[in-house]
Amino acid sequence: AQSVTQLSSHVSVSEGALVLLRCNYSSSVPPYLFWYVQYPNQGLQLLLKYTTGATLVKGINGFEAEFKKSETSFHLTKPSAHMSDAAEYFCAVSDYGQNFVFGPGTRLSVLP
Amino acid sequence: DAGVIQSPRHEVTEMGQEVTLRCKPISGHNSLFWYRQTMMRGLELLIYFNNNVPIDDSGMPEDRFSAKMPNASFSTLKIQPSEPRDSAVYFCASRELAGGDTQYFGPGTRLTVL
Repeated sequence: AQSVTQLSSHVSVSEGALVLLRCNYSSSVPPYLFWYVQYPNQGLQLLLKYTTGATLVKGINGFEAEFKKSETSFHLTKPSAHMSDAAEYFCAVSDYGQNFVFGPGTRLSVLP
Repeated sequence: DAGVIQSPRHEVTEMGQEVTLRCKPISGHNSLFWYRQTMMRGLELLIYFNNNVPIDDSGMPEDRFSAKMPNASFSTLKIQPSEPRDSAVYFCASRELAGGDTQYFGPGTRLTVL
């Protein structure tokens, strides 16, 4: 069985500050890990993913995430927040692309 | 590519009425998923199909919900009769079954049952 934990339901940062959204997972097989972003009244859009290989993955809009097996984590970061980054962010885990389990989401607010 | 297409984008109906939501997956994708999103419960997987065959419908809330995929390019999610607690945003997603590791989401259908 797989599960995803996003402990923070809401994160606020100032424009230009570091963004850190935390994700921890559990999986009985080597996980595929994903971050999706959802803007208001839109569907989920893939930000980045880790399947195999390099543990630091880069995505769109300057976001990146690092897979840390020892910590069962896949935290999402961005060095400098922009107002347009305000959205809901979902972490997801999958077993080789088959069954997807999504976390509860973290709403990111960016303050001017 | 047009992406996953869902219709209607918004649906308002009265309790007891039948509601049909539609989805067209990305061409070439042969795995299709239906999700429901609410504030209280977040994103829930309702059912998914591989090659038009339902694989897991354990997330379907009750018998009022049914889903079909008559061909590779079309799926429906039907609620009959609808209830106010069914109000939510319903998303369809698709992926390639062989070698495809990413789900691609449609824009969703916002359903309001009065």
